Amino acid sequence: EAGVAQSPRYKIIEKRQSVAFWCNPISGHATLYWYQQILGQGPKLLIQFQNNGVVDDSQLPKDRFSAERLKGVDSTLKIQPAKLEDSAVYLCASSLGWTLGVLYEQYFGPGTRLTVT
Amino acid sequence: EDQVTQSPEALRLQEGESSSLNCSYTVSGLRGLFWYRQDPGKGPEFLFTLYSAGEEKEKERLKATLTKKESFLHITAPKPEDSATYLCAVQAEETSGSRLTFGEGTQLTVNP
Repeated sequence: EAGVAQSPRYKIIEKRQSVAFWCNPISGHATLYWYQQILGQGPKLLIQFQNNGVVDDSQLPKDRFSAERLKGVDSTLKIQPAKLEDSAVYLCASSLGWTLGVLYEQYFGPGTRLTVT
Repeated sequence: EDQVTQSPEALRLQEGESSSLNCSYTVSGLRGLFWYRQDPGKGPEFLFTLYSAGEEKEKERLKATLTKKESFLHITAPKPEDSATYLCAVQAEETSGSRLTFGEGTQLTVNP
C-alpha cells in the first residue's frame, strides 16, 4: 500500500517570499491533516480536512497560511509571505477519520523541511 | 488548555538495558492517548492507542500502559534499531475536530 506522499522534500526561501507544499494521502482516507513541527518539538496541528471540508483550522495563522483540498484527495498548503519563524518541517497525515468519537491512527508523510532565511 | 509533558527529554541505553519513558497529561477528559515513533528525517509512525486507565498494549519489545494522569512506554531488552524519538499525543473530549496534542518527545539512543 502506498504511503502519504509529499513534495518537495526540502525548500529554502527568503523571508517575505511565498511557498507551497503538496500532499497526496493514502487512497480511501477521507481525513487529511497538516502539521507544523519545529525542531525539537512535537507536531502541531495547523488544519484538518474531512473530504474537502475544513473540520479544524483554529491553529492556522490565517493572515499568511492557507490550505485547500480540492476534490477531497490531494491538498496544498501555502505560506505567503513567509517569516523566519516559519522554518520547520511541514507534515501531512491522513486517516480514516474517527469512530465513536476516537481518532483512528494517522499515517504521516516524510514531511517538507522549510528553511526561511 | 491540554498539556502533554514527556520525560526524560533524552535517554541513552545499552543494548538489553530495559527502561521506561513517561508521558504525563492534563486534559479535562481523555478520549485517547497515542504513541508514535519518529525516525530522523521521517514522519511519525503509529505504535499504540490507549483509551482508559488500566489498559495495556504490547508490540514486540514495547509495552504501553495508561493511568488517569500518565502513560508509560516500557522498552524491554532494547536493540539499536529501537533508537528513535518517541512521541505521545492526547485527544481530549472537548476538543473540536478531534485534534491531537503532541508532547515534545523523548529521544532514545540504544548503543550496541
